[in-house]
Amino acid sequence: EAQVTQNPRYLITVTGKKLTVTCSQNMNHEYMSWYRQDPGLGLRQIYYSMNVEVTDKGDVPEGYKVSRKEKRNFPLILESPSPNQTSLYFCASSLAGLNEQFFGPGTRLTVL
Amino acid sequence: QKEVEQNSGPLSVPEGAIASLNCTYSDRVSQSFFWYRQYSGKSPELIMSIYSNGDKEDGRFTAQLNKASQYVSLLIRDSQPSDSATYLCAVNINTGNQFYFGTGTSLTVIP
Repeated sequence: EAQVTQNPRYLITVTGKKLTVTCSQNMNHEYMSWYRQDPGLGLRQIYYSMNVEVTDKGDVPEGYKVSRKEKRNFPLILESPSPNQTSLYFCASSLAGLNEQFFGPGTRLTVL
Repeated sequence: QKEVEQNSGPLSVPEGAIASLNCTYSDRVSQSFFWYRQYSGKSPELIMSIYSNGDKEDGRFTAQLNKASQYVSLLIRDSQPSDSATYLCAVNINTGNQFYFGTGTSLTVIP
């Protein structure tokens, strides 16, 4: 089954404790992206990647890191999480930058 | 001005009616436009993509794009209660690598 998977689905952590949210797709997509969704603000793009070793900032990259060492994986790293990063995070992938994106199930992160 | 704007609603229509959802965007060179549906607590799912001016129909859904007016809309014919969800408009920006989403329009279809 073609899909985008994310882990963990739910995470509660404390301020300053580094964490990684994994994202993997099995569709051989070149483009991958991370979004956060907050009430009233909608989906905002954090980082995106056009291909392996190519990443770029989206609209809200502060406090986040990403890497794209393999085509299928695009982890999101929070080196020192803060409460304002409490949000619902989605990973998405598409064949290429202009194409429709397919979303993972989401990761609900709470930073205390 | 936001990159992508939608009327947040809520929009209520009776079952069987046409629901009309609208979206405006600010970047004149945007090339691809998408409508997603999102149920509460779930991830967005693609309904329609449109790349050129005019109408694109898929079943009960019709997307309309007017690049001159920087406007994209979604019509849902014969609305069903299962169509009750939040509808998100998405637009690619600049070189096509970055995406902006509207904040979504909440639609309720009343049986």
